[in-house]
Amino acid sequence: QSVLTQPPSASGTPGQRVTISCSGSSSNIGSNNVYWYQQLPGTAPKLLIYRNNQRPSGVPDRFSGSKSGTSASLAISGLRSEDEADYYCAAWDDSLSGWVFGGGTKLTVL
Amino acid sequence: QVQLQESGPGLVKPSQTLSLICTVSGGSISSGSYFWSWIRQPAGKGLEWIGRIYTSGSTNYNPSLKSRVTTSVDTSKNQFSLKLSSVTAADTAVYYCAREGPRGYNWGFDYWGQGTLVTVSS
Repeated sequence: QSVLTQPPSASGTPGQRVTISCSGSSSNIGSNNVYWYQQLPGTAPKLLIYRNNQRPSGVPDRFSGSKSGTSASLAISGLRSEDEADYYCAAWDDSLSGWVFGGGTKLTVL
Repeated sequence: QVQLQESGPGLVKPSQTLSLICTVSGGSISSGSYFWSWIRQPAGKGLEWIGRIYTSGSTNYNPSLKSRVTTSVDTSKNQFSLKLSSVTAADTAVYYCAREGPRGYNWGFDYWGQGTLVTVSS
């Protein structure tokens, strides 16, 4: 059981916009930044969004993040086949004094 | 370009201690105010943060693993390490090392190793 809650799966067709939610609590998302990681099959996770809505250099602007209260979302617009991957949200948890992750969302591009 | 590489035994017997090393290249492990973390992922499952060590040597651990985890830094070799004691089959996973951006900058885990599979079995 993950501290942060994500839907196990999401899907969309090429060109569509898809959103993935991440729900937490006041001790993690409610009081700290949210991060999103993309994990392509058989590879290590890659930082996709930091500080709720910032993109590292090289991440396309098709990816965007937002946060409100104790929830956050990752949006992917102009969906492409190469976006098919697992996506994880993460945040620091003040109560646990550690990082917590969501259970991951498997994105399928139909 | 910073690179991280995990190394260590791929097979550990139950009740023994799992030991892994992460070698950092492309930059000094002691420069900057970075945190160095261990994260694991059982097959087909999600990510679990194990713990981190700061360049000063201070540590934070996942409460669920804290009693069994030890991390350390060897600046002379540009490496940091993980020891997980009393392992069981539940500790079988791909283990990643990762760099967390400087204290106060909130960059997240910006560099990751490729991961190493550790299987706990007799």
